[in-house]
Amino acid sequence: QVQLVESGGGLVKPGGSLRLSCAASRFTFSDYYMSWIRQAPGKGLEWVSFISSSGGYTNYADSVKGRFTVSRDNTNNLLYLQMNSLRAEDTAVYYCARDYDVLTGSIYYYMDVWGRGTTVTVSS
Amino acid sequence: EIVLTQSPGTLSLSPGEGATLSCRASQSVSTRYLAWYQQQPGQAPRLLIYGASRRATGIPDRFSGSGSGTDFSLTINRLEPEDSAVYYCQQYGGSSYTFGQGTKLEIK
Repeated sequence: QVQLVESGGGLVKPGGSLRLSCAASRFTFSDYYMSWIRQAPGKGLEWVSFISSSGGYTNYADSVKGRFTVSRDNTNNLLYLQMNSLRAEDTAVYYCARDYDVLTGSIYYYMDVWGRGTTVTVSS
Repeated sequence: EIVLTQSPGTLSLSPGEGATLSCRASQSVSTRYLAWYQQQPGQAPRLLIYGASRRATGIPDRFSGSGSGTDFSLTINRLEPEDSAVYYCQQYGGSSYTFGQGTKLEIK
């Protein structure tokens, strides 16, 4: 079935960098916007970023703007999140999720497929 | 940024009972952009409702959503033990998403 699998999480020191990946399968990846959402330990969900289907449009939460960069490879069905200048408060499980369906021109916005997440820990 | 406030924080109910979860927005939200998610312990969130009242694929009709403007609700009828989870509302607006802080539903 439709699947998203995140990877790339780990332990990194404050100020360090990490790149997360999300591999998509069994759907036409290039037809969808994609989002990153994170969840700090014991906390709620926080939207981080999204990228348009072509990759030409991106947006970020204020908390990560200027430090994180989202990108995608539609040939290989991959979504990325480059995280720089990491802080302790970036510690979280990071989920990728399938977002807006460009092909159908839907009037609705929601995230209907989620990966299992990858854990990022920022600590010295 | 639109802030979503969910209530109650925690709800403890028995199997077979009904639950109503509230989501209040700091400003008006289009029904097209309001969704609800369920997150069971240790799992990724799952889409329940989109467009404020449309059930996602495979979601039983015990789950229903309603509301408009700034007040939205998720109703769960005939509670089952597997409904124990945290429920989040989400809105899209201004080219960004925000989530409510979640309501924890405990089935006694």
